[in-house]
Amino acid sequence: QKEVEQNSGPLSVPEGAIASLNCTYSDRGSQSFFWYRQYSGKSPELIMSIYSNGDKEDGRFTAQLNKASQYVSLLIRDSQPSDSATYLCAVPLRTYKYIFGTGTRLKVLA
Amino acid sequence: ETGVTQTPRHLVMGMTNKKSLKCEQHLGHNAMYWYKQSAKKPLELMFVYNFKEQTENNSVPSRFSPECPNSSHLFLHLHTLQPEDSALYLCASSQDLLGGLQPQHFGDGTRLSIL
Repeated sequence: QKEVEQNSGPLSVPEGAIASLNCTYSDRGSQSFFWYRQYSGKSPELIMSIYSNGDKEDGRFTAQLNKASQYVSLLIRDSQPSDSATYLCAVPLRTYKYIFGTGTRLKVLA
Repeated sequence: ETGVTQTPRHLVMGMTNKKSLKCEQHLGHNAMYWYKQSAKKPLELMFVYNFKEQTENNSVPSRFSPECPNSSHLFLHLHTLQPEDSALYLCASSQDLLGGLQPQHFGDGTRLSIL
């Protein structure tokens, strides 16, 4: 089993819809979780972090964490074409050793 | 502007060449990282430095040689690379290594092509 798993996509959603991106992880002891957005040819950019079970909202982005089920998700409301990118889930395995998923490619159709 | 600057942005080299990648961070962080990103693969951690000291070498071949002269600068020296080393090489930094709560901030990467 991979340590961090994401559906590679592409996930296509129409403009204005909610995009739902999922990530599962294998280490039950993981305490922090990060979502990065990576545009083609650019570096990963941190967009959300979550440490506690439940939801965390930041603008159009909501991160959801369920430690019992070992998944973390990212919802993007009112999706825009500019949200089209690859979204990476990152879970620190040890204090600094981040394990990244392969990323989910999101395409928002105008 | 991420606060982490990498040069060059693109590099094409032959297998017998020697070149170096440079990373500089302006965030006042103490930890720096090298990652390799290949198509359709997750980011692979290569090296970790904390306060200039190497704390992780993730079984990286010796043809990759890191150097960290101070907390703001990180180099990756390359020699006799193989075609499979063609990838995007990303540098990142974080405040420190404590607790796994520190997000990492990435540079824009060096796109490396080995002929």
